[in-house]
Amino acid sequence: TQLLEQSPQFLSIQEGENLTVYCNSSSVFSSLQWYRQEPGEGPVLLVTVVTGGEVKKLKRLTFQFGDARKDSSLHITAAQPGDTGLYLCAGAKNISNFGNEKLTFGTGTRLTIIP
Amino acid sequence: NAGVTQTPKFRVLKTGQSMTLLCAQDMNHEYMYWYRQDPGMGLRLIHYSVGEGTTAKGEVPDGYNVSRLKKQNFLLGLESAAPSQTSVYFCASSYWSGTTYEQYFGPGTRLTVT
Repeated sequence: TQLLEQSPQFLSIQEGENLTVYCNSSSVFSSLQWYRQEPGEGPVLLVTVVTGGEVKKLKRLTFQFGDARKDSSLHITAAQPGDTGLYLCAGAKNISNFGNEKLTFGTGTRLTIIP
Repeated sequence: NAGVTQTPKFRVLKTGQSMTLLCAQDMNHEYMYWYRQDPGMGLRLIHYSVGEGTTAKGEVPDGYNVSRLKKQNFLLGLESAAPSQTSVYFCASSYWSGTTYEQYFGPGTRLTVT
């Protein structure tokens, strides 16, 4: 069962445009992480949001965690070709017996910025 | 720091053959993970380890075994490869950042089973 749905799956826009990617679930997470993955490489952590309603900014990227900690969004302002990549959200849940967290990854949004 | 490294980068196996994927990290992280990534499926957890000598099953453990004999190494074994195991395999390690466990991924191993 896929707990985290990302939309859209694919997005191709012109350089300079704005975009929003969504990550939705029916489950509550202790935190939510966003990763970017480039072809032939592993995912790289961009940001972690922990508190419901939390907003974090990373240059032109704005991340928001939903009030109920079930969903998140990533907004990119004035997209650039360097933003091209696969964006993955991942929700964390505590694994109580090991004191660790288990990450559940979304299906990903493949973003292409056209120069 | 090399971070998380994986060997090999590519491998082609015939059905029924066995192989071991090696993951190494030099960040002294306690936790390590093996994932597989398939188109449209995202990353799915195969096995994980919370410390040297410990392992646990993830979401899709069937057909795989793991070992964590040394803190810096996490091995993933396929005893009898099947075409359904064709995938890209990622290893990750993590540490507690104060608010969550931040995972660092290796570059991946692309495995094809024919």
